[in-house]
Amino acid sequence: DTEVTQTPKHLVMGMTNKKSLKCEQHMGHRAMYWYKQKAKKPPELMFVYSYEKLSINESVPSRFSPECPNSSLLNLHLHALQPEDSALYLCASSQGGRGSTDTQYFGPGTRLTVL
Amino acid sequence: SQKIEQNSEALNIQEGKTATLTCNYTNYSPAYLQWYRQDPGRGPVFLLLIRENEKEKRKERLKVTFDTTLKQSLFHITASQPADSATYLCALDMRGTGGGNKLTFGTGTQLKVEL
Repeated sequence: DTEVTQTPKHLVMGMTNKKSLKCEQHMGHRAMYWYKQKAKKPPELMFVYSYEKLSINESVPSRFSPECPNSSLLNLHLHALQPEDSALYLCASSQGGRGSTDTQYFGPGTRLTVL
Repeated sequence: SQKIEQNSEALNIQEGKTATLTCNYTNYSPAYLQWYRQDPGRGPVFLLLIRENEKEKRKERLKVTFDTTLKQSLFHITASQPADSATYLCALDMRGTGGGNKLTFGTGTQLKVEL
């Protein structure tokens, strides 16, 4: 199974809402990632988790809160977002161990619209 | 900060020809450079990885080169087909000390292969 799944596929939320994005992989990967992608732009790294610990936070605003409950799951909690946060949110995973090639497997993304 | 540019936003070629995509970067050379393909509304898919001490890598109709002196990678698709039409992204791969790797993506080239 080389699949990364993300739910929901689409999400529309107001600026006062709280919602969560979910990501799951069953490849035994120990590194997981969140990216944000605006239209016609490349993905931009937000967070990296390695062995369930946050290892990289790319100065993301606190209205985005990541969580890694176990090695297969990654969540992104959203609160008080702004319309400019509307984007495709991509989850990815990689082997993560020392000496691994660490190619990343991406999920299909969640299309988020903030009204 | 690292700046990564891909030769053109869009590239149109005829079926059967070789497509050549360019990725140029500034500043430091990464230990690895990766190429991904992204179709509309989907997550990127890994194609090839090349290490800093490798000059060339091949996989079926794909070839990538890496010149750390020129700070450039070239990506070739030979005998191109309409099914190769997609956006191609290069990514500089910086290994995190805490695990996982940090990918910084280029601007992307949208390739269209015409009959």
